[in-house]
Amino acid sequence: GENVEQHPSTLSVQEGDSAVIKCTYSDSASNYFPWYKQELGKRPQLIIDIRSNVGEKKDQRIAVTLNKTAKHFSLHITETQPEDSAVYFCAAPSGGSYIPTFGRGTSLIVHP
Amino acid sequence: DGGITQSPKYLFRKEGQNVTLSCEQNLNHDAMYWYRQDPGQGLRLIYYSQIVNDFQKGDIAEGYSVSREKKESFPLTVTSAQKNPTAFYLCASSRAGVKTDTQYFGPGTRLTVL
Repeated sequence: GENVEQHPSTLSVQEGDSAVIKCTYSDSASNYFPWYKQELGKRPQLIIDIRSNVGEKKDQRIAVTLNKTAKHFSLHITETQPEDSAVYFCAAPSGGSYIPTFGRGTSLIVHP
Repeated sequence: DGGITQSPKYLFRKEGQNVTLSCEQNLNHDAMYWYRQDPGQGLRLIYYSQIVNDFQKGDIAEGYSVSREKKESFPLTVTSAQKNPTAFYLCASSRAGVKTDTQYFGPGTRLTVL
C-alpha cells in the first residue's frame, strides 16, 4: 500500500511570509495528489490538487509542485494571512486503488 | 457545504453502549468512507464502500461496523468492543473507481465516551 509522510507537523510564520509543506509517497504508480485544508472544528476541504502529467499548478496564492522522480509534492502558500491558519493534509492513492492515504497533517499558524 | 451530512454533531456514550453515527449524501456518489481523526494522527480509514450492499475494512476497523443498504446512506456503529472510541469521526464520499477524484467530507461527529 501507499505510505505518505508529511512535514513539518507544525509551521509557524508571520503574516506575509511564505509557507511550504512537503509530502513524500512510496507508490510510484500514484497519479493524483490533493491537498485539503481543515479549519478548527470543521470538515477538510480540497484547496488544490495536481495530476501526474503536470509538474506545477497554481491558484492565486497557493501552488503545488510535483517531483515524480523523487516521489514528493509540496504545497506553497505565499503572502500568508491569518485566515490561512488551519491544518493541511496531503493525500495520495495507491496505484492500484482510488482509496487515498493521508499524511498526518501540518498545523499552520500565521501570526498577525 | 451541502451534499454530505452527518448527525449528530456531538454524541456522548456511556461505556458498554453501542452508538450509531449517521452519514447521508445527495451527490450521487457510489463510494463512501468513514475516517477517524485523533490529534496528530491525521485521517485513519475505518471502513469504505464502493457500491450498495458491499463494504471493506480499512486500517482500523476493529470495534466498528457499517451497513450500506442505500446509495445515499452509510451509517457507522461504534460498538462496545472499541476500546478508545473518543474521537472526531468524518464521513466522505467520491465517485467510485475514479483514481483522480476528490473526496467530499461531511461536517463530522465528535464522540465522547463518559
